[in-house]
Amino acid sequence: AQTVTQSQPEMSVQEAETVTLSCTYDTSESDYYLFWYKQPPSRQMILVIRQEAYKQQNATENRFSVNFQKAAKSFSLKISDSQLGDAAMYFCAYRSARETSGSRLTFGEGTQLTVNP
Amino acid sequence: DTEVTQTPKHLVMGMTNKKSLKCEQHMGHRAMYWYKQKAKKPPELMFVYSYEKLSINESVPSRFSPECPNSSLLNLHLHALQPEDSALYLCASSPRAGSSYNSPLHFGNGTRLTVT
Repeated sequence: AQTVTQSQPEMSVQEAETVTLSCTYDTSESDYYLFWYKQPPSRQMILVIRQEAYKQQNATENRFSVNFQKAAKSFSLKISDSQLGDAAMYFCAYRSARETSGSRLTFGEGTQLTVNP
Repeated sequence: DTEVTQTPKHLVMGMTNKKSLKCEQHMGHRAMYWYKQKAKKPPELMFVYSYEKLSINESVPSRFSPECPNSSLLNLHLHALQPEDSALYLCASSPRAGSSYNSPLHFGNGTRLTVT
């Protein structure tokens, strides 16, 4: 079974600064997908960024980028120029590329990010 | 704005009540999901519907009964719940279940359920 670990229950950052959230995972599979979701107080889970394991290039979405280290099974999220609206719970998630188990997302425990003005 | 709409936003029910949670999407997605989320915890998968058929039931107690009347609607019928069932219930959809079509889940805002 796959596991996802987020070792930072809480993080804080000053507005306009950069912060990195850590995520490691354990899997025996070679093909899979990784995601970062944010959940603000509005409760909706919002996709921030995704990465396909077979792609070596790190994904980027505006101020959000990942550092994907497949051999180390690490998938960290970097938020640049942090904004107050970035404050949320961030979940790292894994999904198998195998059709039969690809419906399941395995989530980490989450990192609560606070952005200080 | 969310493309997955859940009603009601909040629900308080007694242990003998029967209630239903509703979820609706109009993105043409053919897979829909129910998740349960306790405070400060990640969502836990409960059910997956693929093409209106139940494809995954994560050993959820029978007091939770899902229903998918059509490709746009997903219901969760609740009966004889326990206080420990109090949680945020999230609905999600994706173009397809499985991973042959790589697309992330779209989540609704959830229903905050309190069982008294």
